[in-house]
Amino acid sequence: DAGVTQSPTHLIKTRGQQVTLRCSPKSGHDTVSWYQQALGQGPQFIFQYYEEEERQRGNFPDRFSGHQFPNYSSELNVNALLLGDSALYLCASSTGTVQETQYFGPGTRLLVL
Amino acid sequence: GESVGLHLPTLSVQEGDNSIINCAYSNSASDYFIWYKQESGKGPQFIIDIRSNMDKRQGQRVTVLLNKTVKHLSLQIAATQPGDSAVYFCAENKRAAGNKLTFGGGTRVLVKP
Repeated sequence: DAGVTQSPTHLIKTRGQQVTLRCSPKSGHDTVSWYQQALGQGPQFIFQYYEEEERQRGNFPDRFSGHQFPNYSSELNVNALLLGDSALYLCASSTGTVQETQYFGPGTRLLVL
Repeated sequence: GESVGLHLPTLSVQEGDNSIINCAYSNSASDYFIWYKQESGKGPQFIIDIRSNMDKRQGQRVTVLLNKTVKHLSLQIAATQPGDSAVYFCAENKRAAGNKLTFGGGTRVLVKP
C-alpha cells in the first residue's frame, strides 16, 4: 500500500517564475492538505482540498493556489516566486472526516534563487 | 492568540534512557493533539495522538500525557534508541478549525551511544 507520494523531490527556480508541485494521497484518502516548512521551523498550513474544492485556507497570499483532481491527487501552484518561498512543501492526506490523522509525504524541496 | 510551542529546542539523551518532550498550548478550545517525528530529509511521521477527553494514551514505547489544567502535552519515549534521533513536533487541531494542523517549532532529540 503506497503512502503519500510527492513530485518532484527537489526543484530550483528563479524569482518571478511559477512552480507546480504534485501530490498523490495515501490509498483510501480523499482529502489533501498542503503545508510549507521553512528551515528549522514547524510546518505552516497553506490550504486543504476535499471533493475537488478548497475547503480551508491558511494565511498565504493568492499567489498560492491549488487543485484537486477526481482521483484525489492534488497540485500546488505558486506564482511570482519570491526568495522567501524557498522551503520544504509537504502534502498530507486524510479522510474527509474532521480530525482524522493526516499522513505526510516526503515533501518537495524548493529553492528560489 | 493561538500557539503550540515547545519548552526545549534540543534534548540530548543517553541510549537506553527515557526521553520526555514537552509542549505547551494556549488555546483551550484545542481538542485533538498529535505528535510527529521528522527525520532529516523526510516528511513528518505520525507517532501518536490524543483527544481532549483523555489524559493518557500509550503506544509502542511511547506515551502521550495531556494536562488540560495547565495546557501541557508531553511525549515520553521509553528506552530511547539511536533511531529515535529526530525532530519531534506537537500539533494541535480544533474541531472548529476543520482539519488544519497548527505545529509548534519542534524539539530535536539527539541520542548518545
